[in-house]
Amino acid sequence: GAVVSQHPSWVICKSGTSVKIECRSLDFQATTMFWYRQFPKQSLMLMATSNEGSKATYEQGVEKDKFLINHASLTLSTLTVTSAHPEDSSFYICSASPAGTSGLMGPGELFFGEGSRLTVL
Amino acid sequence: GEDVEQSLFLSVREGDSSVINCTYTDSSSTYLYWYKQEPGAGLQLLTYIFSNMDMKQDQRLTVLLNKKDKHLSLRIADTQTGDSAIYFCAVNRDDKIIFGKGTRLHILP
Repeated sequence: GAVVSQHPSWVICKSGTSVKIECRSLDFQATTMFWYRQFPKQSLMLMATSNEGSKATYEQGVEKDKFLINHASLTLSTLTVTSAHPEDSSFYICSASPAGTSGLMGPGELFFGEGSRLTVL
Repeated sequence: GEDVEQSLFLSVREGDSSVINCTYTDSSSTYLYWYKQEPGAGLQLLTYIFSNMDMKQDQRLTVLLNKKDKHLSLRIADTQTGDSAIYFCAVNRDDKIIFGKGTRLHILP
């Protein structure tokens, strides 16, 4: 099946630094990738939709300048948490939808990365 | 309340059936999904049902949809140790997917 890989799997950083998380579709092209945030015992919260070659679409309440998203190619999207603070500590997950899918399963035909755990000290 | 609600934990004996329940609020959702997340792995789409269906069966999995009550369930027959995972209920809201908090399924020997 389709594979989506995230890197790094976990990262610890100091408050005030920036952290970049990569999301790659390894065996398919994805015009659209999604970034989620998951708190313990909470549902996945959609942060933004990353579109290849254009600006990301952010969900209400998500700071665009705080969470920079770049989708430079059909196989790579990056999420940069700028000037990270302890409250940004969380599990960040990406998903991708293969380009040109039939749409039989609707918008939920997604392939997810393993997630990246960010801890800000 | 939450858009998609499900209980957080379920314990089932190996060999028994597991039933994971979910309720949702958006009656316009046309696709309803179950995802599985195993330890250390990303979410995987397990199965889905279209809103005009009442039931869908796929080997050991049975999905039941009560659209009137906005209730979705996932039944796993003959539960095995390999079924131990977190199961997320999800529905679409237009082109977006709204997830529940996930139900952790624990298998008892």
